Amino acid sequence: DAGVTQSPTHLIKTRGQQVTLRCSPKSGHDTVSWYQQALGQGPQFIFQYYEEEERQRGNFPDRFSGHQFPNYSSELNVNALLLGDSALYLCASSFGTGTGNTIYFGEGSWLTVV
Amino acid sequence: AQKVTQAQTEISVVEKEDVTLDCVYETRDTTYYLFWYKQPPSGELVFLIRRNSFDEQNEISGRYSWNFQKSTSSFNFTITASQVVDSAVYFCALLQAGGTSYGKLTFGQGTILTVHP
Repeated sequence: DAGVTQSPTHLIKTRGQQVTLRCSPKSGHDTVSWYQQALGQGPQFIFQYYEEEERQRGNFPDRFSGHQFPNYSSELNVNALLLGDSALYLCASSFGTGTGNTIYFGEGSWLTVV
Repeated sequence: AQKVTQAQTEISVVEKEDVTLDCVYETRDTTYYLFWYKQPPSGELVFLIRRNSFDEQNEISGRYSWNFQKSTSSFNFTITASQVVDSAVYFCALLQAGGTSYGKLTFGQGTILTVHP
C-alpha cells in the first residue's frame, strides 16, 4: 500500500519563476492538504482540497494556488517566486476532512529559490 | 484561534534515559484531535499517535507513551529508554473538527531531540 508520494523531491528555481509540485494521496484517501515548512519552523497550512474544490485556506497569498484531480491527486502551484518561498512543501492526505481520521504526510518537496 | 506550544526547543539526552516532550494547546472547540509526528532529517512527517478530545486515556506503544490531560490542555509524549534512532524533530499538532478551521492541522514549533550514545 503506497503512502503519500510527492514529486519532485528537490528543485531549485529563480526568483520570479513559477513552480508546480505534485502529490498522490495514500490509497483510499480523498482529501489532500498542503503545508509549507520553513527551516526551523513547524508546518504551516496552505490549503486543503476535497471533491476537487478548495475547502480551506491558510494565510497565504493568491500566488499559491492548487488543484485536485478526479483521481484525488493534487498540484500546488506557486507563481512569481520569492526568496522567502524557499521551504519544504509537505502534502498530507486523509479520508474525509475534519473527521479526525489519521492524516499522513509525504516526504515533501524541498524548494530553493535563488 | 487555536494554538500549540512546545516550550522545549531542544532536548539532549544520553541513550537509555527517559525523556518527556511537552505540548500545550489552546482551542475553543469541544471536539478536536491531537497528533504527534516525528520528523527525521529526510523531512517526512511520520505519524505516531492520534487522540480525540473525548478520550483522556493514556496510551502506551512500546517505548512510547502519551499523557493527555484536558484540565491542563496538555498532551505530553514520553520516550522510555531512549535510543539514538529516536533523534529527530517531534511535532505536536491540533486538528479542529468543526468551525471555520476544520480539517486544518495547527502545529507547534517542534522539539529537536538528540539522543547521544
